[in-house]
Amino acid sequence: AQSVTQLGSHVSVSEGALVLLRCNYSSSVPPYLFWYVQYPNQGLQLLLKYTTGATLVKGINGFEAEFKKSETSFHLTKPSAHMSDAAEYFCAVSVFGNDMRFGAGTRLTVKP
Amino acid sequence: NAGVTQTPKFRVLKTGQSMTLLCAQDMNHEYMYWYRQDPGMGLRLIHYSVGEGTTAKGEVPDGYNVSRLKKQNFLLGLESAAPSQTSVYFCASSPSGRRETQYFGPGTRLLVL
Repeated sequence: AQSVTQLGSHVSVSEGALVLLRCNYSSSVPPYLFWYVQYPNQGLQLLLKYTTGATLVKGINGFEAEFKKSETSFHLTKPSAHMSDAAEYFCAVSVFGNDMRFGAGTRLTVKP
Repeated sequence: NAGVTQTPKFRVLKTGQSMTLLCAQDMNHEYMYWYRQDPGMGLRLIHYSVGEGTTAKGEVPDGYNVSRLKKQNFLLGLESAAPSQTSVYFCASSPSGRRETQYFGPGTRLLVL
């Protein structure tokens, strides 16, 4: 069965610093991979997704992620953190049918 | 467009009581989902529907029932609430299957005493 592991439940960066949120997946077949963001007291919204094609995927708000099959990873990055990036981030994988599996989430704090 | 809406936003139940959570979407999406979100566990799929009149079990279906009588609505029922069902419940919809973006509602916070 597919699964997702997000390394680090909390990540803290300074404003302007690189953001790196780690996600590793487990799947026996090519996965579809997603990053969602959740702001306080809101539902999730899509940041970016990988289905097929180019392995470097660009999303909203300056985020991007790279699908690395050999490392079974889909890490999320942003070159320069902004205060408005503070939120919880979820990596998700979809392999079979309609069963999307989410990671436990990483809470990003941005310090001034 | 309102997107995905959920009713109610917050509810307190006593153990053994029943309730229904309503999800509505105005995007004409075929697929709808119910998730629960618990601290440190991410989102887990409870039930989903691939079209009007259909439902299927997800990862954690026990203690819940669902119905999709109209395409735009997806109801989640708790017949006899238990403290373990204290959680935040999210509804989502998507145009079709697994490669599609899911659009989420704002959530319903449920406390079972």
